[in-house]
Amino acid sequence: DAKTTQPNSMESNEEEPVHLPCNHSTISGTDYIHWYRQLPSQGPEYVIHGLTSNVNNRMASLAIAEDRKSSTLILHRATLRDAAVYYCTPSSGSARQLTFGSGTQLTVLP
Amino acid sequence: EAGVAQSPRYKIIEKRQSVAFWCNPISGHATLYWYQQILGQGPKLLIQFQNNGVVDDSQLPKDRFSAERLKGVDSTLKIQPAKLEDSAVYLCASSLGPGQGNEQFFGPGTRLTVL
Repeated sequence: DAKTTQPNSMESNEEEPVHLPCNHSTISGTDYIHWYRQLPSQGPEYVIHGLTSNVNNRMASLAIAEDRKSSTLILHRATLRDAAVYYCTPSSGSARQLTFGSGTQLTVLP
Repeated sequence: EAGVAQSPRYKIIEKRQSVAFWCNPISGHATLYWYQQILGQGPKLLIQFQNNGVVDDSQLPKDRFSAERLKGVDSTLKIQPAKLEDSAVYLCASSLGPGQGNEQFFGPGTRLTVL
């Protein structure tokens, strides 16, 4: 299974952009990169996913490096409600399972 | 659209007792997952069902954990007997299918404390 590396924690000021990095140097060519986030006392919540191209949705943008060994989740204007643990996870194996690491704890300062 | 339902939300038991968790996935979702999340760690997949069949249970401690998904809808995860190290949040998730882009929807989890 592909392994991911994320910083343990990051801080951001409210209403500023946040760039959350993830290294996944062992990802295979057909594995998608998924991002989920987990607010306190809740189950994880889907944020975005992509394969090779940059992706945008209403929550965030995902920038994937050309060599696919890393990606960056971009929150364009952080709010206090964005404070959560963010997980970067490839979908791998024949059953396309997600493998969660410890994630990045994002703190948003008012 | 109703989300993934789980019960109970909290459970406290003593070691060597048994416990069961219930999950009702989103209607129409063929794939159901059970995860274990220990404090400070990310969720770890225990078992994956496709309809009522098991796709992967390689990380399920089968000497004490069991799971079933009768009729391909609701699912139950059981621990018998429980150990102290089983204290964790047990998360259920569902998706339309196991495809690459299929978003997993998670329930709120059951927090288990084993004393």
